[in-house]
Amino acid sequence: ETGVTQSPTHLIKTRGQQVTLRCSSQSGHNTVSWYQQALGQGPQFIFQYYREEENGRGNFPPRFSGLQFPNYSSELNVNALELDDSALYLCASRRDLSTDTQYFGPGTRLTVL
Amino acid sequence: DQQVKQNSPSLSVQEGRISILNCDYTNSMFDYFLWYKKYPAEGPTFLISISSIKDKNEDGRFTVFLNKSAKHLSLHIVPSQPGDSAVYFCAASAPGGSSNTGKLIFGQGTTLQVKP
Repeated sequence: ETGVTQSPTHLIKTRGQQVTLRCSSQSGHNTVSWYQQALGQGPQFIFQYYREEENGRGNFPPRFSGLQFPNYSSELNVNALELDDSALYLCASRRDLSTDTQYFGPGTRLTVL
Repeated sequence: DQQVKQNSPSLSVQEGRISILNCDYTNSMFDYFLWYKKYPAEGPTFLISISSIKDKNEDGRFTVFLNKSAKHLSLHIVPSQPGDSAVYFCAASAPGGSSNTGKLIFGQGTTLQVKP
């Protein structure tokens, strides 16, 4: 069984740029959530995708957007990057909406200069 | 507003002894709780979970206890091993169920060090 994978592992951007992060869900999982983890904090929920639609969102501005594809993989896009966007971005998948346990990928470390 | 709190930033125990990690929450509507372990440069790894209809769940060396009246849960690791050294996060399923929104609310984490 393949676990959750994310790419890239890390990247550096400058303020005002745009970034796309990618996630492949665990095999058999159709629901993907994205989290932001700042240093020394717990992960903060950004949004969830199910059947290619966003169906849950945390307190993040609209410049955080996403996509889910028919193979259940997902992208997180962040526009107009700010210094405070520097964080570890985690993708988590679960089997479907009826299950609560989410399984996380290794994360993408984003640094905004 | 921190709805899930882990008030101990760190914990150090001797190998073979019991590790007890604590977590408090404020929202009585939370219906599912999870513990994750995180090593540096890795994503959180699921350890164990408990539904609000139970007060205890065991899986090998790991046991989670839930006290709904106190809005408190704890993770017991017995016996502790050096490989258990990591950051531990508790998480709660948001009201309405994470089955609806996918939202887990995490505590700030507790760093556990198990000394040989």
